[in-house]
Amino acid sequence: SAVISQKPSRDICQRGTSLTIQCQVDSQVTMMFWYRQQPGQSLTLIATANQGSEATYESGFVIDKFPISRPNLTFSTLTVSNMSPEDSSIYLCSVEEARSEAFFGQGTRLTVV
Amino acid sequence: EDQVTQSPEALRLQEGESSSLNCSYTVSGLRGLFWYRQDPGKGPEFLFTLYSAGEEKEKERLKATLTKKESFLHITAPKPEDSATYLCAVQAGGGNKLTFGTGTQLKVEL
Repeated sequence: SAVISQKPSRDICQRGTSLTIQCQVDSQVTMMFWYRQQPGQSLTLIATANQGSEATYESGFVIDKFPISRPNLTFSTLTVSNMSPEDSSIYLCSVEEARSEAFFGQGTRLTVV
Repeated sequence: EDQVTQSPEALRLQEGESSSLNCSYTVSGLRGLFWYRQDPGKGPEFLFTLYSAGEEKEKERLKATLTKKESFLHITAPKPEDSATYLCAVQAGGGNKLTFGTGTQLKVEL
């Protein structure tokens, strides 16, 4: 399975600022996914990132708040913009391999104060 | 809208005490049902994919089964290292989106 590295692993940020999370995969993948896991809740898909095209956002998530880049087949970034305490969550990068099996990075634990 | 419900929310077992976790789902056109294990502070770790009713998969002390309405994760003779949150997710329709349940937090005690 692909090895997925996320940076940073955790951060504490001031409200109103932005944080960019990086996701690096050790192999080329077509689709990368960004999920959010709020405290005590399950994972929710934010957007799907394909190389060379605009990310596709799920209902309730917008590009201005969560801009995504996908410059090549092994790397993606998610920015959490103009943060508020409600954005405190774990953000997870995921890739899909054969037969729809998805693998996840270790996550970025974000606390907004 | 796809829905996934997991029960129980939390389960405490004694070492060696077998049990089952439930994942009920409502989807249009199931393409796959996935089980993950998540340890505190880590991302989900892939366990199994089930694609059709009647399918079963095993890995060490874990066995996953699938019907048209639900999936079970059977844990046989669990050990303390099996303590984790177990997540169920479904993929349905034509997209790649995974819809997750809220998980079952399992604690296995000596």
